[in-house]
Amino acid sequence: SAVISQKPSRDICQRGTSLTIQCQVDSQVTMMFWYRQQPGQSLTLIATANQGSEATYESGFVIDKFPISRPNLTFSTLTVSNMSPEDSSIYLCSVEVLGVRDEAFFGQGTRLTVV
Amino acid sequence: DAKTTQPTSMDCAEGRAANLPCNHSTISGNEYVYWYRQIHSQGPQYIIHGLKNNETNEMASLIITEDRKSSTLILPHATLRDTAVYYCIVRVVNFGNEKLTFGTGTRLTIIP
Repeated sequence: SAVISQKPSRDICQRGTSLTIQCQVDSQVTMMFWYRQQPGQSLTLIATANQGSEATYESGFVIDKFPISRPNLTFSTLTVSNMSPEDSSIYLCSVEVLGVRDEAFFGQGTRLTVV
Repeated sequence: DAKTTQPTSMDCAEGRAANLPCNHSTISGNEYVYWYRQIHSQGPQYIIHGLKNNETNEMASLIITEDRKSSTLILPHATLRDTAVYYCIVRVVNFGNEKLTFGTGTRLTIIP
């Protein structure tokens, strides 16, 4: 299993500012994934954070808006830059743990409100 | 990854079995069927997965049709704590390197 700690759990930010979300895992993992969940919607993958290389972004998401760092095998950050009210969402970090289930684990999420 | 189709919402009486269907008619031979659920204000939680055989664990049972084009998640004795959004996902298993593609899911409400 894996325990994921995300910080902050929630924040209210002014438009035009940036917020960095941290994700700490209690074991080493190859890839970490960042998702966004807009109000009342399903989860959408933003990017895959690769250790030692640049993140891989999904269609519709760009590095300038959502820069990601992955300095080691247990930690990653996602920054939401130049925020607007449309960025108000829950942001979730996820990892997969190899084994019988190849199961994904998720953090509790960061609830972001942009005013 | 193949797409899945699930009913938008379902109700089930407490103590009864909850049967959640999922259609995945374009599933490939190497793709597994995974189920996750998301309880309000929490991250998604793994429930069960299977390739072609029926599977059972402490949480649920998974029934996959012989042609693998659909499946059913069964919660045998639903409780109020099972109220959540349930996601059916088909995906390859790639040593922890495979992203998950979430559909809209089924919002299951357990009625007292």
